[in-house]
Order: sequence, then structure tokens, then C-alpha cells
Amino acid sequence: AQSVAQPEDQVNVAEGNPLTVKCTYSVSGNPYLFWYVQYPNRGLQFLLKYITGDNLVKGSYGFEAEFNKSQTSFHLKKPSALVSDSALYFCAVRDMYGAGGFKTIFGAGTRLFVKA
Amino acid sequence: DTAVSQTPKYLVTQMGNDKSIKCEQNLGHDTMYWYKQDSKKFLKIMFSYNNKELIINETVPNRFSPKSPDKAHLNLHINSLELGDSAVYFCASSQGTQGGYGYTFGSGTRLTVV
Repeated sequence: AQSVAQPEDQVNVAEGNPLTVKCTYSVSGNPYLFWYVQYPNRGLQFLLKYITGDNLVKGSYGFEAEFNKSQTSFHLKKPSALVSDSALYFCAVRDMYGAGGFKTIFGAGTRLFVKA
Repeated sequence: DTAVSQTPKYLVTQMGNDKSIKCEQNLGHDTMYWYKQDSKKFLKIMFSYNNKELIINETVPNRFSPKSPDKAHLNLHINSLELGDSAVYFCASSQGTQGGYGYTFGSGTRLTVV
């Protein structure tokens, strides 16, 4: 089965500084990778995905993620953090289900705190 | 204009009761899902429907029964509620079944069983 790991429960960064939220994956074959954000008392919002193509993927709200096959990583980045970026971030991967079906598996989440 | 809407937003009920959560999407997506988020924010897929057909049924107690009357609606009925069912339940939708598209989530239903 495919899986993703988010090694940090929490990331703290000062406003204006670059931020990185880490994700590593374990898949067989080519990975389909995703990032989502969850604000308090809200559903998850899709940020970006990597399926194929350029290793640097740009997404919503100024976020981007870098796919690194040799390090099996898909870290989320933003050049300049905002206080409003404070939220829970989930990395996710497509996994097989049954004979030919697919489902999305989510990591445990990383809480990002951006301090003013 | 809400893309994926769930009702109710909050649900407090006693053990042993039966309750339903409704979900509707207006995005024209073919596939809908139910996910459960526990108190530690861990998300686990429960069910998925594609065009009213059940395609994913994870190891969920059979007290949970999804129903999809059409591809825009996916409801979740829970019988004989238990304390451990307390969680936030999210409905989501996506295009196709190949898992290559991002999901659009509803805002969740917080179920508290007392």
C-alpha cells in the first residue's frame, strides 16, 4: 500500500520568512501526490498536486511543492509566510483499492503556526 | 453557491440512536466520498460512490450505511450509535475515479455521541 509521512507535528515560522512543511512518500510506481490545508472548523481545501511533469508544482495561495524522486519527498513551501497561513496541512497520496480502483490516503497532518 | 454542502453541521445524540448526515454537491462531479476525522485529526476514508455505485467500502462497521440516490447526493446513515462514533465526518467529491483530481470537501458534520 502507498503511504505518506509527515515527520513534524508542528512547524513554527515568523511572518515574512520562508516556510517548509515536510512530506515523504512510499509508493510503488509513479506517485500521485497532493497537499491540502484545513482551517479551524472547516473542511480540507485542495492546494496542489503532482502527477507528472515539472518537479516544482505551483498551487493556491502562493504555495508550491517540490517533488524529489531520489529523496521520495514532496515538501510544501512558500517564500514568505503570512499569519493567515496558520492551519493544519495534510499531504496525501493516491493508493490502489481493490482491482483497479483508487483512494486517497492522508498523512497525519502538520500544524503550521506563523507568528506576527 | 456552496460546492459541497453537508447537513447538519453539528449533531449531538445519545448512544443507541440512529442518525443521518446528508451531502450534496453542485460541481457535476462523478465521485463522492465519506471520510472520518478523529480527535487527533487523522482522516480515514469510509466509502466512495461513483455515479450511484458503491466503489469503496473500507473496514467500517455495518451500522454505517451510505446511500446515493443520484450522483449529486451521498447520505450516511448510522444505526445504534456508539461513543466511539464521535468524530467529524466529511463529505467530498471529485471528477472521475482515477484519483488524479483533487477533492472538494464539505465543511464537515461534528457528531457527538453522549
